[in-house]
Amino acid sequence: DAKTTQPNSMESNEEEPVHLPCNHSTISGTDYIHWYRQLPSQGPEYVIHGLTSNVNNRMASLAIAEDRKSSTLILHRATLRDAAVYYCILRANYGGSQGNLIFGKGTKLSVKP
Amino acid sequence: DTGVSQDPRHKITKRGQNVTFRCDPISEHNRLYWYRQTLGQGPEFLTYFQNEAQLEKSRLLSDRFSAERPKGSFSTLEIQRTEQGDSAMYLCASSFPGTGGTFYEQYFGPGTRLTVT
Repeated sequence: DAKTTQPNSMESNEEEPVHLPCNHSTISGTDYIHWYRQLPSQGPEYVIHGLTSNVNNRMASLAIAEDRKSSTLILHRATLRDAAVYYCILRANYGGSQGNLIFGKGTKLSVKP
Repeated sequence: DTGVSQDPRHKITKRGQNVTFRCDPISEHNRLYWYRQTLGQGPEFLTYFQNEAQLEKSRLLSDRFSAERPKGSFSTLEIQRTEQGDSAMYLCASSFPGTGGTFYEQYFGPGTRLTVT
């Protein structure tokens, strides 16, 4: 499986935008880019996913580089509740079969008031 | 509550004892996953079911681990002869299977924290 590289930690101020980077230089054409986050003492939760085009939803935006070797998760206005570990995950779609998620260590985001 | 639930939330056991965890997925979801998470690491995949069929098992799932989903609804994960290295958070997730380019997100439960003394 293709590997992702994320910074171990990042800090942000409340109400400011946050850009969380992810490198995936060995991504293949069938790999989708997924982001999950894990709040303290909770299970992970889905944030967003994309293939080639930038994506927006109510939680965040996902910007994908043209060569797809990197992506950035954008939180437009960080709140204290966004303090979590953010995981960038590549998930292949082989013949329509989708299996497990492969998590790395993720980026621990701290948000300062 | 329509989320994924897990029971118990915490379990302390002595080395060598057997333990069993239960996961109740979101009712419409026919995919169910088990993951294990140790401190400071991301979750690691253990196994998953589609309905009652166990479709994939990680090499992390040693012979001491067994998972079942007898009627395609709830699932159990049993660990026999527990070892201190089994201490971890055990997470369950569920989803629709998804086909083609359609992915469905996995919904995770709160986890069962196992401590082996």
